[in-house]
Amino acid sequence: GDSVTQMEGPVTLSEEAFLTINCTYTATGYPSLFWYVQYPGEGLQLLLKATKADDKGSNKGFEATYRKETTSFHLEKGSVQVSDSAVYFCALIRNQAGTALIFGKGTTLSVSS
Amino acid sequence: EPEVTQTPSHQVTQMGQEVILRCVPISNHLYFYWYRQILGQKVEFLVSFYNNEISEKSEIFDDQFSVERPDGSNFTLKIRSTKLEDSAMYFCASSESDGETQYFGPGTRLLVL
Repeated sequence: GDSVTQMEGPVTLSEEAFLTINCTYTATGYPSLFWYVQYPGEGLQLLLKATKADDKGSNKGFEATYRKETTSFHLEKGSVQVSDSAVYFCALIRNQAGTALIFGKGTTLSVSS
Repeated sequence: EPEVTQTPSHQVTQMGQEVILRCVPISNHLYFYWYRQILGQKVEFLVSFYNNEISEKSEIFDDQFSVERPDGSNFTLKIRSTKLEDSAMYFCASSESDGETQYFGPGTRLLVL
């Protein structure tokens, strides 16, 4: 079945470091891809999305490019801040084939000053 | 900015008791969802709801679970007879249409003793 695999955490970085969180997926057809973020004590917030191959989603300095050839959607940020500390979830939805978001296990990011 | 709200934020119940978790989706959204996140695990899809019917459900969503839209604004998840393993964070989400971005509420943390 469809699935999402994320790199294991936690990821610990110093402020202003470069961030990459890897995400790969398995899906039939052409899913839409998402990154959600969960700050401590809060719910899931949409961070960015891409709906077709080669699309780049971006928001708040974060970027991810939909790579169909490598079935990947890696999250990147050039310079992280302490306020970016959170759990990041990669997810997909199968277009025209259901409504369920399928999530990865989540990657915890901890940024220190 | 419109948001999904959920009540209560926390609920503690005894095993075998019925619980009802409540959600108010974003007002112009037509698709509603429930997900759960057992502590330390991935977010899992439970059910989606459209036009007063379940449109998709996972194998987790067995006969102990039911959903209802009792009026024009609320969307509820009922667990008929809770089990210890139902302890989790339950998230409600809504979207404008099928396959579109799902917006999540802050969650209800359910603890079954």
